[in-house]
Amino acid sequence: AQSVTQLDSHVSVSEGTPVLLRCNYSSSYSPSLFWYVQHPNKGLQLLLKYTSAATLVKGINGFEAEFKKSETSFHLTKPSAHMSDAAEYFCVVTLPYYGQNFVFGPGTRLSVLP
Amino acid sequence: EPEVTQTPSHQVTQMGQEVILRCVPISNHLYFYWYRQILGQKVEFLVSFYNNEISEKSEIFDDQFSVERPDGSNFTLKIRSTKLEDSAMYFCASSTRDRERDNEQFFGPGTRLTVL
Repeated sequence: AQSVTQLDSHVSVSEGTPVLLRCNYSSSYSPSLFWYVQHPNKGLQLLLKYTSAATLVKGINGFEAEFKKSETSFHLTKPSAHMSDAAEYFCVVTLPYYGQNFVFGPGTRLSVLP
Repeated sequence: EPEVTQTPSHQVTQMGQEVILRCVPISNHLYFYWYRQILGQKVEFLVSFYNNEISEKSEIFDDQFSVERPDGSNFTLKIRSTKLEDSAMYFCASSTRDRERDNEQFFGPGTRLTVL
């Protein structure tokens, strides 16, 4: 079975400072991992994904994440936060096969202060 | 780029009533899913559907829930007798067998169900 832990329920940063959102996973097999973002009253948008290719993954809007198997982590980073980054972020784990359901983490709410 | 669409965006119903939530997945996708998100909680898997049958379902997906692909384009979630605790945002998703896309799922904007 797969599971995801997002250690921080809420992260607050100042605009222009780095963002770090932490994600740890548990999986019986080498997983596929995703980060999704949800802006208020909006749907889920894919930020980036790891599917056994390069361990450092670049996504949209300047976000990137590094898959570290030894640490079972897939932390999301961004060098400089923007006000528009304020949203809920979900780390997702799944098996690397077609048609597998997603297991979501509890989410991290990112606030960006002016 | 093609999108998953869901209707209605918001549904209000009385406890005990039946509701049908509708989704139009991306046209060449083969796998379909429903997830729900109770307010303030994480997104939870309900059911997956492939080749006109349920391929996997969670403990949440009990006998009051059913899914159907009635006409080759729509994918529906029916809740037979709604309860207060069914109030949530319901997301539809779809995915393909495309090596470039791997197992990425595309999510619709959600239907907010409010049970009074």
